[in-house]
Amino acid sequence: EVQLVESGGGLVQPGRSLKLSCAASGFTFSNYYMAWVRQAPKKGLEWVATISTSGSRTYYPDSVKGRFTISRDNAKSSLYLQMNSLKSEDTATYYCARQEIRGTFDYWGQGVMVTVSS
Amino acid sequence: EIVLTQSPTTMAASPGEKVTLTCRASSSVSYMHWYQQRSGTSPKLWIYETSKLASGVPNRFSGSGSGTSYSLTINSMETEDAATYYCQQGSSYPPTWTFGGGTKLELK
Repeated sequence: EVQLVESGGGLVQPGRSLKLSCAASGFTFSNYYMAWVRQAPKKGLEWVATISTSGSRTYYPDSVKGRFTISRDNAKSSLYLQMNSLKSEDTATYYCARQEIRGTFDYWGQGVMVTVSS
Repeated sequence: EIVLTQSPTTMAASPGEKVTLTCRASSSVSYMHWYQQRSGTSPKLWIYETSKLASGVPNRFSGSGSGTSYSLTINSMETEDAATYYCQQGSSYPPTWTFGGGTKLELK
């Protein structure tokens, strides 16, 4: 059974940093692209970052480019999201998702809440 | 950047009613994916590549469309179908992935 379990969320002040983690199990982690998708309170879904199987390629939307860094450790079947210079608009539930080659997000974690507030 | 616009934003349907949700792309795309998100839970892949049902999705659901207009149809609304549905597509150059704003489907 595919499982994705996020951790590392919490309350952080504007301008500070936070690192999210996602522990994957139930599939060969190194064979899949992985992604982070977020959802602000009462809002829709927003793609945040994608990383290739080896980690050599990463992709971001303009809203987080230069502030967020996605990374992975295939030996530990773990995905990470380093978030720097956080803003109030980054407040959201962050989901770890497995990404298929056809571009779908076929499995999602339960999500972790990040609140950026002073 | 392709923008996806879903309509309606919110709607209510009675059990047994036929429901159609629409997703329009700002430019022509080759396919559309759909996700279902029930209240308080994570999204689930529901329909992929326009018309293929994800594992476990009831066959009262169907997807169709081409170019800039895509739709998700429920042949006969059931209680468990009350949820928010999001369309999604990906772009190759540069690689980006976009979601529509969602349609909240409520039970009447």
